[in-house]
Amino acid sequence: GAVVSQHPSRVICKSGTSVKIECRSLDFQATTMFWYRQFPKQSLMLMATSNEGSKATYEQGVEKDKFLINHASLTLSTLTVTSAHPEDSSFYICSAIGQGALNYGYTFGSGTRLTVV
Amino acid sequence: GDSVTQMEGPVTLSEEAFLTINCTYTATGYPSLFWYVQYPGEGLQLLLKATKADDKGSNKGFEATYRKETTSFHLEKGSVQVSDSAVYFCALWYNNNDMRFGAGTRLTVKP
Repeated sequence: GAVVSQHPSRVICKSGTSVKIECRSLDFQATTMFWYRQFPKQSLMLMATSNEGSKATYEQGVEKDKFLINHASLTLSTLTVTSAHPEDSSFYICSAIGQGALNYGYTFGSGTRLTVV
Repeated sequence: GDSVTQMEGPVTLSEEAFLTINCTYTATGYPSLFWYVQYPGEGLQLLLKATKADDKGSNKGFEATYRKETTSFHLEKGSVQVSDSAVYFCALWYNNNDMRFGAGTRLTVKP
């Protein structure tokens, strides 16, 4: 089955620094990757959709300059939280779809717990 | 627009109890329907799916049937275990890559 690897699983950073989160499709080519944010005990909030080789499409209210998304290859997308602040602390999850995705829907990474201190 | 509505949680059951988590959807076409499960501190895992009306998805004792007439995809399990404690998300998806999630239902199973 399709596998998506997300790293790191946990990260603690100081306020004002930047953090990069990686999302890799291990055994399929991900034509589209998605980035979600999840607040405690809440559902997933779609932040942006990225297609390989093109600029990400951000959802309304998501600051594109703060959450930089790069999808440079069919197997890798990165989310960089720039100048992080405590309110950016959250659980970030990526997902990906590719060929044969109808059989699997989205394949999710295991998530990244970001804590900004 | 297309949307998914799940029963509100949290749901607390005793081990071996019967589980139903209701999910209804609104869609203009014929989406595929999914149930995902999220264990504490983890991402979402596909639990089961159905791609057309009357299909039944099943996995690990869970099952759900795609009911077009009632626009529903309720999740059921005959006998829950403590290890089933998690958050369950119902979702619909079209081939245009736009997956819509329900709000999630937290299930706690007590021994």
